[in-house]
Amino acid sequence: NAGVTQTPKFQVLKTGQSMTLQCAQDMNHNSMYWYRQDPGMGLRLIYYSASEGTTDKGEVPNGYNVSRLNKREFSLRLESAAPSQTSVYFCASSEDWDFQETQYFGPGTRLLVL
Amino acid sequence: AQSVTQLDSHVSVSEGTPVLLRCNYSSSYSPSLFWYVQHPNKGLQLLLKYTSAATLVKGINGFEAEFKKSETSFHLTKPSAHMSDAAEYFCVVSGSARQLTFGSGTQLTVLP
Repeated sequence: NAGVTQTPKFQVLKTGQSMTLQCAQDMNHNSMYWYRQDPGMGLRLIYYSASEGTTDKGEVPNGYNVSRLNKREFSLRLESAAPSQTSVYFCASSEDWDFQETQYFGPGTRLLVL
Repeated sequence: AQSVTQLDSHVSVSEGTPVLLRCNYSSSYSPSLFWYVQHPNKGLQLLLKYTSAATLVKGINGFEAEFKKSETSFHLTKPSAHMSDAAEYFCVVSGSARQLTFGSGTQLTVLP
């Protein structure tokens, strides 16, 4: 099992460009999440999908959109990238959307917006 | 509302000495608490979690944490540090909102 995979690993964008970060999990999990990690701030939730067919905003959703393509895949889109979106992005999944569930994280995508 | 405070942003220990990483939490609900570890340029890996069972929780690689409700603390300990323990550690709380709130992290350095 690969667990949670993310592509690309690293990306450089110019301000105003768009891109989609891809995430897939092979653990048959119902819930998936996108986080961003900034220095000294821990991880902050951008969007989540409690189950296939549903998506909801997290703590910092502005400037992002998501798509739960199927049970395995959950993508994050930046329509018009800004320097403030320079960050490391992590996708995670859990069996269900419950506060006791362990979340499993991908290796991250490092995004630099110039 | 819920929050997490990791009391030390950096901790340095010598190899073979004990490790203590401190975490205080706030939650209006009986929380679940987690410790995750992140090695350089890697994703986060679960070390251990507390979900209202035994208050002393044992995790991987010799780490353990004790849930103390009266002190609202969930400190992470290990009796003897190893060079491979050098990483960033995150204390995480999950409550009624069913969302994880992360602490700001503690960078652990292990000196030879």
